[in-house]
Amino acid sequence: GESVGLHLPTLSVQEGDNSIINCAYSNSASDYFIWYKQESGKGPQFIIDIRSNMDKRQGQRVTVLLNKTVKHLSLQIAATQPGDSAVYFCAENIPPNRNSGNTPLVFGKGTRLSVIA
Amino acid sequence: AAGVIQSPRHLIKEKRETATLKCYPIPRHDTVYWYQQGPGQDPQFLISFYEKMQSDKGSIPDRFSAQQFSDYHSELNMSSLELGDSALYFCASSLGQSWNTEAFFGQGTRLTVV
Repeated sequence: GESVGLHLPTLSVQEGDNSIINCAYSNSASDYFIWYKQESGKGPQFIIDIRSNMDKRQGQRVTVLLNKTVKHLSLQIAATQPGDSAVYFCAENIPPNRNSGNTPLVFGKGTRLSVIA
Repeated sequence: AAGVIQSPRHLIKEKRETATLKCYPIPRHDTVYWYQQGPGQDPQFLISFYEKMQSDKGSIPDRFSAQQFSDYHSELNMSSLELGDSALYFCASSLGQSWNTEAFFGQGTRLTVV
C-alpha cells in the first residue's frame, strides 16, 4: 500500500464519535479553503470548502469552521465511521490576479484519522 | 462524470533516467496543476498552466519541465532522475480562475527511482 501519512499526526476516535481535525493556515490573504481526504494510494478527494466571507459551512456529516482572526480551520465529522479513516489535508487559496489567472492551492500538514471499530 | 486521468499509475526508473508523466484534465477545464507528494508529506505545488501557458511556478527543480498542449492535456518531463524524486505526482484541473467542487485531483503517478 501507499506510504503516504506514515509520519503524520494521528487522531484516533471510536466509531460513532465525532471527530475534529484542526488546521492552521499561513496566508491572511487566502480567501478560499478546502478540506481534502486522502486514502492510501489515492489522490486527494474534495470533502468541503468554505469562502472567507463565511465562518461555518455544513455538508453531509461534515462541518467546516473558519476563524480568520487566528487563521484557523477545523473539520468536524459527525458519527465517524471506519470508512472515514484517511489522511485529511486543509488547503488554502489566495485570490487570482489579473496577470497569472489561477493561483495554486497550498496544502497544510495532514492529519491521519484512525477510526476504532 | 469524467475525472482527471493520469498515466502511468506506476513508474519505476533508474537514477539519471528520464520520465514523462501525463495528465488529462476534466473536459472543458483549461487549468492544470502539478503537485509532488513525498512519503508522509503534504502535496507540494510544482507548476501550473492556464490556457496552455505557464501561470504559476512552485518548487519545481530545473531538471523538470512541463507543458500544456492544445487539447489541454499536460505532460511533466523529468530528467536526470534522483532517488529523492521518488514520490506521488498528482495533477489537478480547474475551470478558469475558480477552485470549486470540480477541481478534482487525479489518482496520481507513483514514481520510484532506483
